[in-house]
Amino acid sequence: QITLKESGPTLVKPTQTLTLTCTFSGFSLSTSGVGVAWIRQPPGKALEWLALIYWDDDKHYSPSLQSRLTITKDTSKNQVVLTMTNMDPEDTATYYCAHNFGYNIDYWGQGTLVTVSS
Amino acid sequence: QSALTQPASVSGSPGQSITISCTGTSSDVGSYNLVSWYQQHPRKAPNLLIYGVRERPLGVSDRFSGSKSGNTASLTISGLQAEDEADYYCCSYAGSGTFAVFGGGTKLTVL
Repeated sequence: QITLKESGPTLVKPTQTLTLTCTFSGFSLSTSGVGVAWIRQPPGKALEWLALIYWDDDKHYSPSLQSRLTITKDTSKNQVVLTMTNMDPEDTATYYCAHNFGYNIDYWGQGTLVTVSS
Repeated sequence: QSALTQPASVSGSPGQSITISCTGTSSDVGSYNLVSWYQQHPRKAPNLLIYGVRERPLGVSDRFSGSKSGNTASLTISGLQAEDEADYYCCSYAGSGTFAVFGGGTKLTVL
């Protein structure tokens, strides 16, 4: 059974750096074809794809946010970490991590709401 | 503005069929058979309904079906049920640069 769970701060101040951790079980990030993606959803708005890291450490980022994002993995801990710099109130959203096989996002975490406010 | 265009809302009565469109470009939907669809109930995480344009994961009802023509993908829900009332999102692979793009979402109301 594949499960993922996001953790991190619920409140950050503008200009601060956000660090979110995705802890997963039921799969290994050393398995060929497997990846973990991050997606966010501002309150009442649409989903937005952010970043993806594959089993072989291949990384992909949203072009519009690439300069602010870093995704890393710790295979031994079954964790993926996303950092986003220079946070702005417009970055207020529920952040999801999700299991990716090939090009498909199939299993999602429950999401974590991050509010950016001073 | 989302990269893929979906109607903001659709509605139908129980038992009817509805179709939600997802229009992209020749750089995403039109170039790859890698469109997926997700259902999201309020305050819940999205749930995969369709991948690879028309493939259903195990456990997903065959009332949900997907198709694609040119730059537009479609999700059809047949035999509408009250529990189908939710938001629906499409997503497409968009090449190694952009990688993935979502639609703006469609709110389905079951009358």
